[in-house]
Amino acid sequence: RKEVEQDPGPFNVPEGATVAFNCTYSNSASQSFFWYRQDCRKEPKLLMSVYSSGNEDGRFTAQLNRASQYISLLIRDSKLSDSATYLCVVNVNDYKLSFGAGTTVTVRA
Amino acid sequence: GAVVSQHPSWVICKSGTSVKIECRSLDFQATTMFWYRQFPKQSLMLMATSNEGSKATYEQGVEKDKFLINHASLTLSTLTVTSAHPEDSSFYICSESGRASRNEQFFGPGTRLTVL
Repeated sequence: RKEVEQDPGPFNVPEGATVAFNCTYSNSASQSFFWYRQDCRKEPKLLMSVYSSGNEDGRFTAQLNRASQYISLLIRDSKLSDSATYLCVVNVNDYKLSFGAGTTVTVRA
Repeated sequence: GAVVSQHPSWVICKSGTSVKIECRSLDFQATTMFWYRQFPKQSLMLMATSNEGSKATYEQGVEKDKFLINHASLTLSTLTVTSAHPEDSSFYICSESGRASRNEQFFGPGTRLTVL
């Protein structure tokens, strides 16, 4: 079983729509959780950390469910510039990160 | 601005040649850096952890004699793909951690390697 699993999508949504997706992780000892954004042929960039209580950053809301071992990301009022691949990233110990394969989101005009 | 640089950004080479990729941490002394590889439509896979002043730690299945890592200074780690073959064609990305909290990693812009 992969350490981090994501629905690859693609999620094709119109501008202004809300889109949400999850990822699951296998290691219950995981300590830190992140969503990274990766544009085509570019490096990943941190979108937001995910906290146990859930957190919001502008139009982006992240939730963590430790009991069920999943993380979610919700994007409100989608913009064309939100089109990207969103990587679910989990840290178990030290500084090693495990990456999901990514969920592709395409926002159309 | 960018905190990690990589050079070159892309390289095309013939099969059998060796390619060196540099990863530099800007304005930060990174004792630990990471090397990842990403094939199309796949996740980043950690290849090795580069430790300044000591040997790198390789992940299972990664040949240390093929992927030579040198971390001779706190701001520079290099990855050399020796005797590259077409199956080594991939996107190689380095990262550093420790600059921020909660184990956040900062990634270099990546190096796209194509082996003919």
